[in-house]
Amino acid sequence: DTEVTQTPKHLVMGMTNKKSLKCEQHMGHRAMYWYKQKAKKPPELMFVYSYEKLSINESVPSRFSPECPNSSLLNLHLHALQPEDSALYLCASSQAPRDTQYFGPGTRLTVL
Amino acid sequence: GEDVEQSLFLSVREGDSSVINCTYTDSSSTYLYWYKQEPGAGLQLLTYIFSNMDMKQDQRLTVLLNKKDKHLSLRIADTQTGDSAIYFCASEDDMRFGAGTRLTVKP
Repeated sequence: DTEVTQTPKHLVMGMTNKKSLKCEQHMGHRAMYWYKQKAKKPPELMFVYSYEKLSINESVPSRFSPECPNSSLLNLHLHALQPEDSALYLCASSQAPRDTQYFGPGTRLTVL
Repeated sequence: GEDVEQSLFLSVREGDSSVINCTYTDSSSTYLYWYKQEPGAGLQLLTYIFSNMDMKQDQRLTVLLNKKDKHLSLRIADTQTGDSAIYFCASEDDMRFGAGTRLTVKP
């Protein structure tokens, strides 16, 4: 299994909603990543989890809250988002931190 | 951090070779990567090169690395319409991506 899965594929939410994005991998990778990608822009790193511990937070607003319940799962909890947070949210994993990353298909988020 | 730069657009005819270029500033990255992204999809790892290599070939793909000039390129031989996508170079060290080159292949 060389796949990173993400759910949901699409999400529309209001600014007062609370929602979560989910990412899963069964490759035994010990590093997992969240990226945000706006239209026609490259992915921008948000968070890195290394051995289930948060190792990098790229000054992301607190309305985004990551969680790594176990080595296969990565969540991104969303609360009180703004319309400018609408983007494609990509999850990736790698064998170890800074190793080759494998990406999921992304969740297309729209904040109304 | 490291800056990674790419030209934004490239248009070629089907069957021609495509060359996508990338430049980077100071790097201690062990690996440099090329990713492909089709519309509405995630990133697909195409290939990567170890920093002590000059060239890597993988079927239709050839990666050239010039460490002195800090220049990385991806050559796609016999480009097909299915190769139309955005191509990103990325450095391992700080997980930064270039702006992406949109490759359009005309029949």
